[in-house]
Amino acid sequence: DSGVTQTPKHLITATGQRVTLRCSPRSGDLSVYWYQQSLDQGLQFLIQYYNGEERAKGNILERFSAQQFPDLHSELNLSSLELGDSALYFCASSVDEGSSTDTQYFGPGTRLTVL
Amino acid sequence: AQSVTQLGSHVSVSEGALVLLRCNYSSSVPPYLFWYVQYPNQGLQLLLKYTTGATLVKGINGFEAEFKKSETSFHLTKPSAHMSDAAEYFCAVSDKGYSTLTFGKGTMLLVSP
Repeated sequence: DSGVTQTPKHLITATGQRVTLRCSPRSGDLSVYWYQQSLDQGLQFLIQYYNGEERAKGNILERFSAQQFPDLHSELNLSSLELGDSALYFCASSVDEGSSTDTQYFGPGTRLTVL
Repeated sequence: AQSVTQLGSHVSVSEGALVLLRCNYSSSVPPYLFWYVQYPNQGLQLLLKYTTGATLVKGINGFEAEFKKSETSFHLTKPSAHMSDAAEYFCAVSDKGYSTLTFGKGTMLLVSP
């Protein structure tokens, strides 16, 4: 158990809908990262927040957005969902703001299925 | 831009045999390198990482990896495979300025009795 929690574990929805994925980082960690894992794209970095502020952006679609709240939990919002958005979404957390020596701890993931 | 190539989407070994999972990277700056393992229906767990210093890095569960700058490689090895090692392994790279990770496609390790 990494100490990172994600809810829900599974999510099934229809095309065009909007969903929110939630992540609680490990106690004391200030950074939260979101990743998408799909069969065709592999594991891709989406976005990082540090202490409430956006820190780095990866291959995140405009239909997706995220935020980190004062209690440091984070939410990833996915809207106008398409079949291709079906994937496993991981959250990771780390202590630091972006040092490459900082270790990221991954949550168990949320499996999103878009029908 | 950084990239990671993992040779072989699947590697099969017998229990007790040497495990070798290959990872090559490209980076415009000296990289930080990582190996993560993903067990079925679970998140990723850090096995080991190279940042600076000794190029041979020891990790958990008996795994180790060696950073070879001249070969731009960071192969993962374990002298003797165990059934519990069956999982998917990901190599990842980040540059010095950021902790965002670029992952390889992953290698599924299959261990037969």
